[in-house]
Amino acid sequence: DVKVTQSSRYLVKRTGEKVFLECVQDMDHENMFWYRQDPGLGLRLIYFSYDVKMKEKGDIPEGYSVSREKKERFSLILESASTNQTSMYLCASSFLGLQGPGDEQFFGPGTRLTVL
Amino acid sequence: QKEVEQNSGPLSVPEGAIASLNCTYSDRGSQSFFWYRQYSGKSPELIMFIYSNGDKEDGRFTAQLNKASQYVSLLIRDSQPSDSATYLCAVKGAGNNRKLIWGLGTSLAVNP
Repeated sequence: DVKVTQSSRYLVKRTGEKVFLECVQDMDHENMFWYRQDPGLGLRLIYFSYDVKMKEKGDIPEGYSVSREKKERFSLILESASTNQTSMYLCASSFLGLQGPGDEQFFGPGTRLTVL
Repeated sequence: QKEVEQNSGPLSVPEGAIASLNCTYSDRGSQSFFWYRQYSGKSPELIMFIYSNGDKEDGRFTAQLNKASQYVSLLIRDSQPSDSATYLCAVKGAGNNRKLIWGLGTSLAVNP
């Protein structure tokens, strides 16, 4: 079974703090993704990575950065947390699957971040 | 703007009935289609995927794809209260594309 783990289930931080969210997958997937999910807005892609040290911006990258130093680990960084970054953060991974069908994404349990 | 649309619901069905969830997409070149289930406060979990026109069955679940009409549906037979959740449709676009485009989800309530 694919396993995607995230460092925390719940996190409370203060405005202006630097926040690190970590994600680890054990299936040797090339692709890793960070989403946030808010009521009524659905899943929104923040950043994704298709290889070590490679990253691409998603739909809402402002205020975030990412790091992928090892294939199995993908970190999301909030440089200076703000209250509008209070959300559920979801990490996912998938195989490369550039041309063919499949390459479904598998999700971690999520981190509910509250910024006060 | 590539879009995936779902009726937000809630869709309410009695226990034992068939629940029918629909999804339409705008990118005609889309190649893979996914259904996820998400319980409140939990992360999405994959139910099934489909990439060829027609039906694909897995237990009580059947995915139906019609590329000409650009819709994909999910049927849940013999619905159970434990099926009450939000169902997300996701679509992989054409070409060299690693991302999925997500619908906002349909809330399903199965009443005992």
